[in-house]
Amino acid sequence: KAGVTQTPRYLIKTRGQQVTLSCSPISGHRSVSWYQQTPGQGLQFLFEYFSETQRNKGNFPGRFSGRQFSNSRSEMNVSTLELGDSALYLCASSPGTSGKETQYFGPGTRLLVL
Amino acid sequence: QKEVEQNSGPLSVPEGAIASLNCTYSDRVSQSFFWYRQYSGKSPELIMSIYSNGDKEDGRFTAQLNKASQYVSLLIRDSQPSDSATYLCAVNIDNNDMRFGAGTRLTVKP
Repeated sequence: KAGVTQTPRYLIKTRGQQVTLSCSPISGHRSVSWYQQTPGQGLQFLFEYFSETQRNKGNFPGRFSGRQFSNSRSEMNVSTLELGDSALYLCASSPGTSGKETQYFGPGTRLLVL
Repeated sequence: QKEVEQNSGPLSVPEGAIASLNCTYSDRVSQSFFWYRQYSGKSPELIMSIYSNGDKEDGRFTAQLNKASQYVSLLIRDSQPSDSATYLCAVNIDNNDMRFGAGTRLTVKP
C-alpha cells in the first residue's frame, strides 16, 4: 500500500503571501490530520478532517485553514504568511472511524517564509 | 503543566544496552498512546501503539502503560547505532488530536 504523500516537499514564500499544501492519505483512510513542527514548539496539532468535515481543531489562528475532498485528499492553506510560519508541515492519515487509531505521517512540506 | 512531558535528553547508551524512555501525560481520559521515532530531517514513523495497561512487546521494543500513574514508557533492548534518533511520545486526546512530547534524543554509541 502506498504511504501518505505530500506536495510540494519544499516551499519558499515571502511575508504576506499565502500558501496551499496538499496531502493524499493512505488508500482507504478517511481521516487526515495536520501538524506543524518547529524546533521551539515541537509538533503541534492544527486540525483534523474526516469525511470532508473538520472534526477537531487546534489552537492556531484563523489564517490556517483546511479542507478535505470526497477522495479524502486534503489541503491546508495559510494566508498572510508570517516569518514564524516557517516550519515543517506534516499530515497524517488514519482510518478515522474511532478517532483514536494509529496515525501515519507523510514526508512533510518544509516551508520557509522570508 | 504540559500535556505530554518527556525527558528531552540527550540519552546516550552503549551498543547492546537497554534504552529506557519515559513519558507522562496529564489528560486522564486519554485512551491511546504512541511512540514515534524521528530521524533528523525526516517525518515521524510509528514504533508502537498501546491502549491497555501493561506491557506490549514488538521485537526489541517494549511499551509499558500505567494509566493510574499516567505514564507510558518505551524500552529498547539490544540498542543499535541505527536506533539513534529522537523518540516522540504521543497521546491521542480526541478525534485524532494527538499531543506530542518534546521528544527524547537517543544516541547509541558503538
